[in-house]
Amino acid sequence: LAKTTQPISMDSYEGQEVNITCSHNNIATNDYITWYQQFPSQGPRFIIQGYKTKVTNEVASLFIPADRKSSTLSLPRVSLSDTAVYYCLEAPTGANNLFFGTGTRLTVIP
Amino acid sequence: GAVVSQHPSRVICKSGTSVKIECRSLDFQATTMFWYRQFPKKSLMLMATSNEGSKATYEQGVEKDKFLINHASLTLSTLTVTSAHPEDSSFYICSADRAPQSYNEQFFGPGTRLTVL
Repeated sequence: LAKTTQPISMDSYEGQEVNITCSHNNIATNDYITWYQQFPSQGPRFIIQGYKTKVTNEVASLFIPADRKSSTLSLPRVSLSDTAVYYCLEAPTGANNLFFGTGTRLTVIP
Repeated sequence: GAVVSQHPSRVICKSGTSVKIECRSLDFQATTMFWYRQFPKKSLMLMATSNEGSKATYEQGVEKDKFLINHASLTLSTLTVTSAHPEDSSFYICSADRAPQSYNEQFFGPGTRLTVL
């Protein structure tokens, strides 16, 4: 069963920074926080993973506070092609089983 | 690298027939492959985990006799939906991971849309 909570949907205009927050109220000590992106009728795609503080890659940034009860995926200057569903997950590194929650449906508006 | 393909991309079949879906890791050997099902506007639901040469591990509520999984090699897993019914219509997605695994990064296929008439 999914262990995370995130908003069902969000809208944003093109060019804006988008922050999607996920709640991890029962995260385990050895769990990492991972975010995936899914376009319609496609399989999900790994975006970013972190344990604590801030992680940045060419696609996004991930902010995780010290208590690790939440995480925020930050997408800089979104474009229409960023319209997708974004999932946050908790799992130990190298975990076999990934359980997806409801996800956040981001719609980017021209 | 790390490309996963699925075949077919979409299939329509009559109720009572069986349908086989193939999942291949094209440029890496997958230690484990996973099968998910996704209904419209819903999240992915893990159905089963399979390792090459061994029996699949099914999630609670997934009928192993209905959803047959064969993992014959490190690059191929198949899901057979037996005696399909309209309620089996869904988007089936496979994924694979590879060793060594330092991230929870599974590589997903493009999915197979099954419609049972």
